[in-house]
Amino acid sequence: QQPVQSPQAVILREGEDAVINCSSSKALYSVHWYRQKHGEAPVFLMILLKGGEQKGHDKISASFNEKKQQSSLYLTASQLSYSGTYFCGTGRGGSNYKLTFGKGTLLTVNP
Amino acid sequence: EPEVTQTPSHQVTQMGQEVILRCVPISNHLYFYWYRQILGQKVEFLVSFYNNEISEKSEIFDDQFSVERPDGSNFTLKIRSTKLEDSAMYFCASQTNLGPEKLFFGSGTQLSVL
Repeated sequence: QQPVQSPQAVILREGEDAVINCSSSKALYSVHWYRQKHGEAPVFLMILLKGGEQKGHDKISASFNEKKQQSSLYLTASQLSYSGTYFCGTGRGGSNYKLTFGKGTLLTVNP
Repeated sequence: EPEVTQTPSHQVTQMGQEVILRCVPISNHLYFYWYRQILGQKVEFLVSFYNNEISEKSEIFDDQFSVERPDGSNFTLKIRSTKLEDSAMYFCASQTNLGPEKLFFGSGTQLSVL
């Protein structure tokens, strides 16, 4: 079951904040966040495990609400380099660890 | 940081032809994956591979697809008889351990089937 991301797209001015949400109808074991720039491979941002943790580095952070089966990615004081498509990937553990990715959120940061 | 390497970066082929996409995962990684991304769409899981065998595959990964690790370093994806709808960016990924760990993605092979 593919996670649902919202919004589909967001346009910011440099310095503004954004929140990207990822929700699943199934119980989650973990949530991965990746950023992909046009024509490039997805680049890992962070993993959150069940337990309601919150992580962050620099001005990008994320939370994982296991009960609500959702995660949110927070980008504060956005920079031009934050532009790209953000994907959440959900994992359900088990003997294999494949990620199911959402459709992505296109973030555009303008000067 | 160590990298996953994929070759070629672009591959153009005629419908019905066989293609082999190559990947060199990070040397101490044990779990290998192929994902694909049709232009403008999400990244989709194709197959996972561990201990020289497929551990899981998606419904996309039908009999036309196969994977192998012929020499302990390369990890290949073969499409026997390509179809137009196989046109996509194919990403190889690898992982140290099974579980909630970072996937290292290669830069991808853009496959165009004409």
